[in-house]
Amino acid sequence: QVQLVQSGSELKKPGASVKVSCKASGYTFSSHGINWVRQAPGQGLEWMGWINTNTGNPTYAQGFTGRFVFSLDTSVSTAYLQISSLKAEDTAVYFCARTYYGSGSFYFDQWGQGTQVTVSS
Amino acid sequence: EVVLTQSPGTLSLSPGERATLSCRASLSINSNYLIWYQQKAGQAPRLLIYGASSRATGIPDRFSGSGSGTDFTLTISRLETEDSAVYYCQQSASSLWTFGQGTKVEIK
Repeated sequence: QVQLVQSGSELKKPGASVKVSCKASGYTFSSHGINWVRQAPGQGLEWMGWINTNTGNPTYAQGFTGRFVFSLDTSVSTAYLQISSLKAEDTAVYFCARTYYGSGSFYFDQWGQGTQVTVSS
Repeated sequence: EVVLTQSPGTLSLSPGERATLSCRASLSINSNYLIWYQQKAGQAPRLLIYGASSRATGIPDRFSGSGSGTDFTLTISRLETEDSAVYYCQQSASSLWTFGQGTKVEIK
């Protein structure tokens, strides 16, 4: 079955970097884009952008340029989110989600379980 | 950027009642690109409705979506206790996708 499995929780100090992974299985990895979604404590969902798993081309939403990098390792069907120069306000759960195109619509049909990133000194 | 505004912020209803959730877009969007998700506490979101009105696989028929242009609605016809969750709309019409801020549905 289709699955997205994310890496475990991270505790980092301000200024450090973190790399979250999202391993896909059960489908052809290059056929569907991977999105990243942030959820700060007690807040809603925020779309960070997506990466084209066929070309490797990333698209970043407003507010997620500069310190945020999406990447791939297609040999292991895995997408990555790297955040550098971490700040306390980066504390959040980060989800990956697969883009599905069907019936003339784009939507996220499969989600990872989420990765908690905590930034604290 | 298309801004989605959801209302109300919180809905508190009893089992068996009808819930009506609104999602208003700052610009007119093709209804093909209006999506609804359900997120229960401590879980990842789950796809409910795509194309404004098509139910995703396994979603009970008490969930329905409607609307066009800038005004969209998610209706839960007969609330069950398991429907307690936050519901988000999302648009994928523009190159930069956005979510609404969510509506929390509480079951009394």
